[in-house]
Amino acid sequence: GAVVSQHPSWVICKSGTSVKIECRSLDFQATTMFWYRQFPKQSLMLMATSNEGSKATYEQGVEKDKFLINHASLTLSTLTVTSAHPEDSSFYICSAREGQDGETQYFGPGTRLLVL
Amino acid sequence: AQSVTQPDIHITVSEGASLELRCNYSYGATPYLFWYVQSPGQGLQLLLKYFSGDTLVQGIKGFEAEFKRSQSSFNLRKPSVHWSDAAEYFCAVAPSGGYQKVTFGTGTKLQVIP
Repeated sequence: GAVVSQHPSWVICKSGTSVKIECRSLDFQATTMFWYRQFPKQSLMLMATSNEGSKATYEQGVEKDKFLINHASLTLSTLTVTSAHPEDSSFYICSAREGQDGETQYFGPGTRLLVL
Repeated sequence: AQSVTQPDIHITVSEGASLELRCNYSYGATPYLFWYVQSPGQGLQLLLKYFSGDTLVQGIKGFEAEFKRSQSSFNLRKPSVHWSDAAEYFCAVAPSGGYQKVTFGTGTKLQVIP
């Protein structure tokens, strides 16, 4: 199956700093990648849809200036949490849509962010 | 808009027993349906998917799911549960006919006891 990686898997940072999370599709090209946020004991909340070479589409209520998304290539999308605050602490998961059937998302292992 | 309901927040089964996790969806037409599994601190792994055709879908790790249009359900089953199946299971739905947003259920946490 298609493999998606995320880096880092764990990050702890001070309040006010920015954190970049990478999402890579390792064995396929992903024209579309997705960023989710998952709170403890809850389901996934879609934050934004990232299309290669164009601006990301953000879900309602997600601050685009807070969560910067860049999808510069067919295998890499990045999420930057700018000026992180403790309330941004969460589990961030990316997924990539495989082109063959176009409808299945393959998920990365997630990045746990803790802002002190 | 589509929605997904997983009525059971938490289920406990004995190892070797059969398992059925419920999923009901709301959508005007036949959607695309998925089941994912998430181990603690991990991302989601696709177990199986239904797009069209045979309504009984086989997945990985011995799981299967059956699409029942009349009941708007897509329940996940496994005949004999292993301790390694303990995890959180998410049902998801997406509109058919071109990609649109996937909606996830709230998840069912499976506990397996010896």
